[in-house]
Amino acid sequence: NAGVTQTPKFRILKIGQSMTLQCTQDMNHNYMYWYRQDPGMGLKLIYYSVGAGITDKGEVPNGYNVSRSTTEDFPLRLELAAPSQTSVYFCASSYQEYSNQPQHFGDGTRLSIL
Amino acid sequence: AQKITQTQPGMFVQEKEAVTLDCTYDTSDQSYGLFWYKQPSSGEMIFLIYQGSYDEQNATEGRYSLNFQKARKSANLVISASQLGDSAMYFCAMRNYSNYQLIWGAGTKLIIKP
Repeated sequence: NAGVTQTPKFRILKIGQSMTLQCTQDMNHNYMYWYRQDPGMGLKLIYYSVGAGITDKGEVPNGYNVSRSTTEDFPLRLELAAPSQTSVYFCASSYQEYSNQPQHFGDGTRLSIL
Repeated sequence: AQKITQTQPGMFVQEKEAVTLDCTYDTSDQSYGLFWYKQPSSGEMIFLIYQGSYDEQNATEGRYSLNFQKARKSANLVISASQLGDSAMYFCAMRNYSNYQLIWGAGTKLIIKP
């Protein structure tokens, strides 16, 4: 069982470059999330989706975009990379209908903007 | 505003001792859930235990238990008979049943000494 898969695991970008962080899950979860984790900090929600075609902003959406064309995939796009976006990015999914169900996380993408 | 507070940035505990990690929360909602996650040095987020606001008994999962004191708005994680493999960051998180977002604490770094 793959669970939540994120690619790439590591990436270095130059300021102003763009990239897409990929996230796919095989658990048929309706709800998916993107978080960022800065060093020594907890997680902050960037965007989330409650189903295919439906996305919404979280706490720190500026500089990011998402799309959800299928249940399985929830890519995160950085359009103009900035040093402040250096972070570890986590994708997660859950059965939100059952509120006691935890979010399942991918292994993270470590992104450095230089 | 909803908030999670973890007041212990770091803890050192002797192997085989029990350890309590503190978590207090602030919410005006009556229905909510509390989660604990473990993040080893390898970086992945591992779900440990869940407590619902209406659960009458404290949650337990193997060596993990949750000391839930609703009136004091605390949800402390207790790890019995600590092991070297318990060394990790531990995060407390809260979700209200009215929305989709998890609110995260800043985490506690636990180091188990042999």
